Amino acid sequence: KAGVTQTPRYLIKTRGQQVTLSCSPISGHRSVSWYQQTPGQGLQFLFEYFSETQRNKGNFPGRFSGRQFSNSRSEMNVSTLELGDSALYLCASSRDRVRDTIYFGEGSWLTVV
Amino acid sequence: KNEVEQSPQNLTAQEGEFITINCSYSVGISALHWLQQHPGGGIVSLFMLSSGKKKHGRLIATINIQEKHSSLHITASHPRDSAVYICAVDNTDKLIFGTGTRLQVFP
Repeated sequence: KAGVTQTPRYLIKTRGQQVTLSCSPISGHRSVSWYQQTPGQGLQFLFEYFSETQRNKGNFPGRFSGRQFSNSRSEMNVSTLELGDSALYLCASSRDRVRDTIYFGEGSWLTVV
Repeated sequence: KNEVEQSPQNLTAQEGEFITINCSYSVGISALHWLQQHPGGGIVSLFMLSSGKKKHGRLIATINIQEKHSSLHITASHPRDSAVYICAVDNTDKLIFGTGTRLQVFP
């Protein structure tokens, strides 16, 4: 079956702009979680959605937001981009994260200039 | 102190060697994941453990809940095993990640 699909794979934005990243989970998976990976901070949890509800949120400013649609597809948005937002953004899906294997997408590489 | 500590940070091995990567954590967990990340970014889940031991091919993962410690073993290592191995613990709210172990296996 198809894996977790993230779009776009690569993008360059200017400081102050906003960006929207998309994640299509594996069919049947209701949990979608987002992570930020940087060389300095490693992998950090952003938020998790389950059946269209945000279940948990990491320690990130309000500029980072997300949502999940009824078909379990998810988007995350970062407004007023800063240079420090340059990172690999990873999405992962599972039937139910707490009890099940998680499957990661290939990630979206965001560069803010 | 980080909630999830991995050791070593970097590991170099000759093909065929037995590899061990360690993970210690300080929080209560519902499960522990071992992940593999290749250059380019994609992450693959190797194991999810809540107790005992699991084996898949040349990979073995163990966890000791009382000691809050897990190990990932690679038997008969191969150059294609070269990657970053990441330990992540699930505290039911979220995944908390270790900093990763960069493994290079030379022929």
